[in-house]
Amino acid sequence: KQEVTQIPAALSVPEGENLVLNCSFTDSAIYNLQWFRQDPGKGLTSLLLIQSSQREQTSGRLNASLDKSSGRSTLYIAASQPGDSATYLCAVNNFNKFYFGSGTKLNVKP
Amino acid sequence: DGGITQSPKYLFRKEGQNVTLSCEQNLNHDAMYWYRQDPGQGLRLIYYSQIVNDFQKGDIAEGYSVSREKKESFPLTVTSAQKNPTAFYLCASSIDPVKTGGDYEQYFGPGTRLTVT
Repeated sequence: KQEVTQIPAALSVPEGENLVLNCSFTDSAIYNLQWFRQDPGKGLTSLLLIQSSQREQTSGRLNASLDKSSGRSTLYIAASQPGDSATYLCAVNNFNKFYFGSGTKLNVKP
Repeated sequence: DGGITQSPKYLFRKEGQNVTLSCEQNLNHDAMYWYRQDPGQGLRLIYYSQIVNDFQKGDIAEGYSVSREKKESFPLTVTSAQKNPTAFYLCASSIDPVKTGGDYEQYFGPGTRLTVT
């Protein structure tokens, strides 16, 4: 069964820092990987989706990379802002199921 | 506006009662999913449906039931057999995984927080 791990579980940084969130998975036979943002008590908002054939995907200050063979993905956030404070989850797609990590809770201090 | 709606946002029930959570989507998606989220944990799949009148158990289906009578709707019933029903429940939808060869993304509703005492 697919296992997804996110490190670190929590991260607190001053505003303006660049930061990296990590996601690892045990089964490399994935179709894609999706990064989500979740605010407290809310649903999930999709940030980026990387297809299995892609190496990276960018949206604004966010860049996600995928190394399928090693079972790793990173989410890079440039010039962090207090509004980036949220929990970030990664999910890997094994055809008709997504498997989720437990998330990284990010706090960006003003 | 296209999207997924879940109701109610908060739900309180006494132990031993069944409760039904609503999920509706107007994205014309074929597939719908129910997840459970507990504090500090990732999402776990309860049930999913890829077509009307058909659904499959996910990883934690015990104590839950679903129906899929309409493409737009996928209600989840939390039965009295579910030992720890207090959690945050999220509904999601996507286009049919079979049609895309497995490459698709999921869209989520705002969630329902269920508290059972």
